[in-house]
Amino acid sequence: QKEVEQNSGPLSVPEGAIASLNCTYSDRGSQSFFWYRQYSGKSPELIMFIYSNGDKEDGRFTAQLNKASQYVSLLIRDSQPSDSATYLCAVTLTGGGNKLTFGTGTQLKVEL
Amino acid sequence: DVKVTQSSRYLVKRTGEKVFLECVQDMDHENMFWYRQDPGLGLRLIYFSYDVKMKEKGDIPEGYSVSREKKERFSLILESASTNQTSMYLCASRGDRGLYEQYFGPGTRLTVT
Repeated sequence: QKEVEQNSGPLSVPEGAIASLNCTYSDRGSQSFFWYRQYSGKSPELIMFIYSNGDKEDGRFTAQLNKASQYVSLLIRDSQPSDSATYLCAVTLTGGGNKLTFGTGTQLKVEL
Repeated sequence: DVKVTQSSRYLVKRTGEKVFLECVQDMDHENMFWYRQDPGLGLRLIYFSYDVKMKEKGDIPEGYSVSREKKERFSLILESASTNQTSMYLCASRGDRGLYEQYFGPGTRLTVT
């Protein structure tokens, strides 16, 4: 079982819709969770982080964490074509110290 | 804003050459990381450093070494480049405070022929 799993997609949503991206992780002791956005040919850009159960909102983005079920999700409201990118989930593992463990990413396509 | 820069955006080297990739950050961060990213495999950690002259192996250190002589600079060295090291190389940094969020440089796409 991979430590951090994401559906590779592509996930296609129409412009203006809500995009829901999911990530599951295997380590029950994981404490911090991150969402990065990566445009094609570019480097990852941090967009959200969360460490407490529940929801965290920042503009059109909402991160949701459920530690009991070991999943974290990212909702993008009012999706725009500029949101089309690959979204990477990253997690700190127990005993991992400084390191983040990344999922392989979900490709999101927002269609006009 | 955190700024992480990498010495080259694109690099083409021949098999057997020694290759240096450099990364510089301007936020006085203690921790720096080198990853490679390949389609279907995601980001994989090569080496990281939590202090000057300190280094630790990541998940795939074979064929690579690193150097951190100054706090702001972290170099990745391919001692003898091979074609299977063709990849996107990403440097990241983070401070000791916060939630372990890392900030990435623009990446270097290395092609070994």
